Amino acid sequence: DQQVKQNSPSLSVQEGRISILNCDYTNSMFDYFLWYKKYPAEGPTFLISISSIKDKNEDGRFTVFLNKSAKHLSLHIVPSQPGDSAVYFCAASAWGNGQNFVFGPGTRLSVLP
Amino acid sequence: DAMVIQNPRYQVTQFGKPVTLSCSQTLNHNVMYWYQQKSSQAPKLLFHYYDKDFNNEADTPDNFQSRRPNTSFCFLDIRSPGLGDAAMYLCATSGQGRRTDTQYFGPGTRLTVL
Repeated sequence: DQQVKQNSPSLSVQEGRISILNCDYTNSMFDYFLWYKKYPAEGPTFLISISSIKDKNEDGRFTVFLNKSAKHLSLHIVPSQPGDSAVYFCAASAWGNGQNFVFGPGTRLSVLP
Repeated sequence: DAMVIQNPRYQVTQFGKPVTLSCSQTLNHNVMYWYQQKSSQAPKLLFHYYDKDFNNEADTPDNFQSRRPNTSFCFLDIRSPGLGDAAMYLCATSGQGRRTDTQYFGPGTRLTVL
């Protein structure tokens, strides 16, 4: 029973355009969300996070949007660069669970030159 | 300057033959985690140590054990590997384990069970 879903296994985007990666969750207790990026042969690296008290968090080219009523979050990358090609994981946790994050299965982003 | 190191990167074992995976960190973090990631699936937390305190996830099979002899090292022992245990095993660390602390992951050990 997947509590965090990333329904697109892969996504291809042209360099310079916007990449939008989506994540849906089912557990209404989740109130903290993160995105990780993973290159081949490396471990995941933290990218950006958002708390449920916000609906948007921005860090450079990366913006995460949270829609609590829809239990949906998205990661926007603008403009996309070839170096952004990686697997992106969405993760979530509930208050009191510390870093017991529930991860989604990931979306492989390919940014084409 | 690797911060979370996992050895070996690839491990092949036979069905039922015990295997140990190693993780070390140079960050002096209090918390160390072990995740299992099967092909095209989400990483799944197996257990974690806060300092010497061991915290097992409820659905982690008894076949999986862990040891943390000191701050820097943490081991994952699989007592009797089955074919279903073939996966990528990821180690991660965190300063205090607060949600706002960054988790730093190692590159993983890919386990093959023959």
